[in-house]
Amino acid sequence: AQSVTQPDIHITVSEGASLELRCNYSYGATPYLFWYVQSPGQGLQLLLKYFSGDTLVQGIKGFEAEFKRSQSSFNLRKPSVHWSDAAEYFCAVGPTNNDMRFGAGTRLTVKP
Amino acid sequence: GAVVSQHPSWVICKSGTSVKIECRSLDFQATTMFWYRQFPKQSLMLMATSNEGSKATYEQGVEKDKFLINHASLTLSTLTVTSAHPEDSSFYICSATDRLSYEQYFGPGTRLTVT
Repeated sequence: AQSVTQPDIHITVSEGASLELRCNYSYGATPYLFWYVQSPGQGLQLLLKYFSGDTLVQGIKGFEAEFKRSQSSFNLRKPSVHWSDAAEYFCAVGPTNNDMRFGAGTRLTVKP
Repeated sequence: GAVVSQHPSWVICKSGTSVKIECRSLDFQATTMFWYRQFPKQSLMLMATSNEGSKATYEQGVEKDKFLINHASLTLSTLTVTSAHPEDSSFYICSATDRLSYEQYFGPGTRLTVT
């Protein structure tokens, strides 16, 4: 069965600092991996996704993620965080572009 | 970009009543729509998958008689919470898969409070 673990429930970083959100997955084959962001009152927005190919994936808003098969990880990174990045971030895994399972989420707080 | 809407955005109902939540794909046709439930500060839990014109497929542990899903057209799916109880209070989110691109888009969610 597929599952996703986001070890960090809440992370606080200073504005301008770098960010890394962790995601580990369990899946029998090469999965489809996603990162979504959820802001209050808004729907989930896709930041980036990985299906195959280059293991370093570039997304919107300056985010990137790296797929590491040996570590079953798909960590999200951003070199310099902006106050507007404060939100809830979800990692998801699935056998296709749909039918995904979500991690518990990581809440990001940005200090001025 | 592709937009998925949900109506209402929030609803309060009394115990024992039923409430219907609509999910619409506004600028694309969706062969498949998904319904999720999200508890405060928790992840999204997939409740069911609905395909246009056929019965929904429910995840284990989800009561199909309580959460009625109808996917009557390629742009509309509805979730009806029947005989609602306070424990049904939650945030319900739908998503829709574009039949052409296979991309999945999420709605903004519906906050249900049962008193």
